[in-house]
Amino acid sequence: AAGVIQSPRHLIKEKRETATLKCYPIPRHDTVYWYQQGPGQDPQFLISFYEKMQSDKGSIPDRFSAQQFSDYHSELNMSSLELGDSALYFCASSSRTSGSYEQYFGPGTRLTVT
Amino acid sequence: GNSVTQMEGPVTLSEEAFLTINCTYTATGYPSLFWYVQYPGEGLQLLLKATKADDKGSNKGFEATYRKETTSFHLEKGSVQVSDSAVYFCALEVTGGGNKLTFGTGTQLKVEL
Repeated sequence: AAGVIQSPRHLIKEKRETATLKCYPIPRHDTVYWYQQGPGQDPQFLISFYEKMQSDKGSIPDRFSAQQFSDYHSELNMSSLELGDSALYFCASSSRTSGSYEQYFGPGTRLTVT
Repeated sequence: GNSVTQMEGPVTLSEEAFLTINCTYTATGYPSLFWYVQYPGEGLQLLLKATKADDKGSNKGFEATYRKETTSFHLEKGSVQVSDSAVYFCALEVTGGGNKLTFGTGTQLKVEL
């Protein structure tokens, strides 16, 4: 079965640079969630989208923005990167219209800021 | 607000030992409860879930029962294997709360021969 795809899997950036992370949900899933997991930490919710509209917002810095496109893939844009942004970024998808809220996670993008 | 508290790790067990990882929660509303597992270098995988009080989730020999009276969702397995070594996260989701997951801090399990 198709899973959530994230790209790139690894990304190295320098401070003050910009990064774009991409997420391709499971086919026919309408909801995308982004989570950030710092080293040794639990995943923290950043933001979610349902049918291309922002659904909920968590502890996402103002330097970050995200959107969901017409094909339901999502991109997380991160600007003015800081060392503290180094983390594993997970995308998850679910099918809200089917009545199932179970979230399926991608393998994550490991961002290292130097 | 919503929060999840897990027992601290690492938990080190011998193969075939009994496993319990404690999880308690605080939630506004009626949460669904989950256990996720994260193997080294990999993403999060749903292990099991329970959506209402007294439900028992089970998968791959792991079990957890949704106890509303004690606000707990402890993970158990009767006989662990080396391949169970991973980090286990307890999480909750409140319907109507945006469906975002709130995770505990994770418990690392190490199983030795």
